[in-house]
Amino acid sequence: DAKTTQPPSMDCAEGRAANLPCNHSTISGNEYVYWYRQIHSQGPQYIIHGLKNNETNEMASLIITEDRKSSTLILPHATLRDTAVYYCIVRVVGGSEKLVFGKGMKLTVNP
Amino acid sequence: DTEVTQTPKHLVMGMTNKKSLKCEQHMGHRAMYWYKQKAKKPPELMFVYSYEKLSINESVPSRFSPECPNSSLLNLHLHALQPEDSALYLCASSPLGSGRNTGELFFGEGSRLTVL
Repeated sequence: DAKTTQPPSMDCAEGRAANLPCNHSTISGNEYVYWYRQIHSQGPQYIIHGLKNNETNEMASLIITEDRKSSTLILPHATLRDTAVYYCIVRVVGGSEKLVFGKGMKLTVNP
Repeated sequence: DTEVTQTPKHLVMGMTNKKSLKCEQHMGHRAMYWYKQKAKKPPELMFVYSYEKLSINESVPSRFSPECPNSSLLNLHLHALQPEDSALYLCASSPLGSGRNTGELFFGEGSRLTVL
């Protein structure tokens, strides 16, 4: 799997947008960008994924640069419950390929 | 039903004990995974089952023995573990087959294992 780079931590004020960056400069053409998060003492939770177009769902938006070497996960109105470790992962889709977690980034949403 | 259920939630065992962790899903997913997570570290992949057959073993010691008796169940049999094996063990599942495979994994809440 291509590796990703995320800052180790970030703070955000409650109610503001949280923009979580990820670098994946060695991503291959058939690899998708996935975001998961893990709230303390819970299992990881899928957030969103994309190939090259921007994606939006009820949880977040994913912005992928045109060269696909980086992406940003946007939580439009962060709440205290969004405090978690966020993992940016790149992987191919199809079959049961590995999902390999990097170190992730701790987002703390402050009141 | 969109849940992956893991039992037990907590397990304490001695180094000579034999125990098992159980994982169950009823989403029709044909890929199932075991991950191990130490405190303040990311989850580490241990095993992947695809259509009930072991497809990936990440060089896991033989004291961990996975089993997939049917498409809904995944077990992890534990024997002669060491204290350093104490961790959160996470199970996950994902769909396989064209049109169904989005690459999304569904995780359970984990089984927290303590080896004394």
